[in-house]
Amino acid sequence: AQSVTQPDIHITVSEGASLELRCNYSYGATPYLFWYVQSPGQGLQLLLKYFSGDTLVQGIKGFEAEFKRSQSSFNLRKPSVHWSDAAEYFCAVGSPYSGYALNFGKGTSLLVTP
Amino acid sequence: EAQVTQNPRYLITVTGKKLTVTCSQNMNHEYMSWYRQDPGLGLRQIYYSMNVEVTDKGDVPEGYKVSRKEKRNFPLILESPSPNQTSLYFCASSSRTSVSYEQYFGPGTRLTVT
Repeated sequence: AQSVTQPDIHITVSEGASLELRCNYSYGATPYLFWYVQSPGQGLQLLLKYFSGDTLVQGIKGFEAEFKRSQSSFNLRKPSVHWSDAAEYFCAVGSPYSGYALNFGKGTSLLVTP
Repeated sequence: EAQVTQNPRYLITVTGKKLTVTCSQNMNHEYMSWYRQDPGLGLRQIYYSMNVEVTDKGDVPEGYKVSRKEKRNFPLILESPSPNQTSLYFCASSSRTSVSYEQYFGPGTRLTVT
């Protein structure tokens, strides 16, 4: 069965600093990986996705993620964080055998300080 | 406009009173799924469907039923709701013909069971 672990429950960064959110997955085949963001009281917004090809993927809002098969990781990065990036971030893995229904990590809450 | 709609958006009910949360998509997607979101637990898969009349259990199916009689609709049924089903529910859809395998999420339904 597929699963996702986000080791960090909370992360605090200063505005303008770089950000890396960790995600480790467990899946037997080539995974379909996603990062979503959720602002308070809002729905889910897709930041980026990976399913094949270049292992460094670019997303919206200046985010990128790198797929590392050897480490079973799909970490999300941003070079310079803005206060508006404060939100909950979810990593997820999907499988074609379950209609790409997703297994999510428990999320990482990002706090941005001035 | 391509979208997934859910109704109702907010619902307060009492223990044991059957309820249905509707989900509808206008993108002719084959795949649909339901999730619940709880603080500290992220989103968890309840049920998914790979086509009309084809449904399967996700990670937390207990206390829920679904049906898929039409391609566009995937209602979630709580036949005897209990307080531990108080949660935020999301419906999603995707297509096997999509090159991005992206899940399109509905806006969410916040359910409170007293």
